[in-house]
Amino acid sequence: DTGVSQDPRHKITKRGQNVTFRCDPISEHNRLYWYRQTLGQGPEFLTYFQNEAQLEKSRLLSDRFSAERPKGSFSTLEIQRTEQGDSAMYLCASSLGRGNTEAFFGQGTRLTVV
Amino acid sequence: KNEVEQSPQNLTAQEGEFITINCSYSVGISALHWLQQHPGGGIVSLFMLSSGKKKHGRLIATINIQEKHSSLHITASHPRDSAVYICAVRSIGSQGNLIFGKGTKLSVKP
Repeated sequence: DTGVSQDPRHKITKRGQNVTFRCDPISEHNRLYWYRQTLGQGPEFLTYFQNEAQLEKSRLLSDRFSAERPKGSFSTLEIQRTEQGDSAMYLCASSLGRGNTEAFFGQGTRLTVV
Repeated sequence: KNEVEQSPQNLTAQEGEFITINCSYSVGISALHWLQQHPGGGIVSLFMLSSGKKKHGRLIATINIQEKHSSLHITASHPRDSAVYICAVRSIGSQGNLIFGKGTKLSVKP
């Protein structure tokens, strides 16, 4: 499978715990995006990487959120001290990043904070 | 007001009907995407367009840049078309991140 893959697909955690999600983009794609989608809403932009550099962060990304893409390949999104409001689908997308190119999405990680 | 508005929010159709989903946006864009999201969350890109019209199978997408409006049409709808259809735009000068509409939930009854 050469698409965008995300792990895990589902995560249930207790409030206050830390969680980490992983995204493996399509191998030749140098741009990687994280989005968050709450029930009944469209996805909202969280952050974006060009290779290993994190170039843009949304104000939605509070201090409890951190994302990395250490070698410009896979990326991780960590949420510390989870809150019930963090419950959402976390989507990763990648693209070639040259001009107007199509974005390819992963299946998402559904987080439930209880 | 959201930068990307879709209508209708929910749509129920009988199998075989012609379906239209509309998207209006308020920002200058370099591209518009139509995406399909099935239960379970995964998103599939259907079209990316910046002008005119594109067709793929029973799906047709059109865009009018002057009017800041796009439509997604499904001909001869089928129950397997049931999904959420999302319009997303890439604004001019952005780093490529997308601004999404809330989606249109389509249910096609046999």
